[in-house]
Amino acid sequence: AQSVAQPEDQVNVAEGNPLTVKCTYSVSGNPYLFWYVQYPNRGLQFLLKYITGDNLVKGSYGFEAEFNKSQTSFHLKKPSALVSDSALYFCAVRGPSGNTPLVFGKGTRLSVIA
Amino acid sequence: KAGVTQTPRYLIKTRGQQVTLSCSPISGHRSVSWYQQTPGQGLQFLFEYFSETQRNKGNFPGRFSGRQFSNSRSEMNVSTLELGDSALYLCASHSGSNTGELFFGEGSRLTVL
Repeated sequence: AQSVAQPEDQVNVAEGNPLTVKCTYSVSGNPYLFWYVQYPNRGLQFLLKYITGDNLVKGSYGFEAEFNKSQTSFHLKKPSALVSDSALYFCAVRGPSGNTPLVFGKGTRLSVIA
Repeated sequence: KAGVTQTPRYLIKTRGQQVTLSCSPISGHRSVSWYQQTPGQGLQFLFEYFSETQRNKGNFPGRFSGRQFSNSRSEMNVSTLELGDSALYLCASHSGSNTGELFFGEGSRLTVL
């Protein structure tokens, strides 16, 4: 069965600095990987996904993520953090075979400090 | 294009009661997934429906059930509520493809007293 690990419950970064939110996955076969963001009292919003092709994926709000097959990682990055990026971030994975559900990590809370 | 609509947004129940939550997916989407979100456990997968058939089911007790109607709208039901069922219940719709992203509703926040 597929699984996702987000090793950090909380990430703090100063505004203007680069940010990284870590994610590792486990799945049989080639993974389909996703990042979502959740603002307080809201549902999840899709940021970006990796299906195939270029290992660097660009998404919404200036975020990008790098797929690393050998390290089974899909870290979320942004070159310059904004205070408005403060939110809860979820990584998710789905296996390629059959109709498997999208499995989420426990989330990482990002705080960007002015 | 209207997004995913979940009702009710907030509700309070007491132990032993049952609850029904509703989800209207994005027009044209035939698949609906349900997740339970709690602070300690993150998002846990409940079940997924595609064209009125349950396609996947998570590891939840039989008190949790769901269904999907011919218009793709979905409901989930929790019977004999327990304090631990207090959570944000999120519905997501998608096209049904493995490569497609999920589109989430705002959620239904259930408090069990």
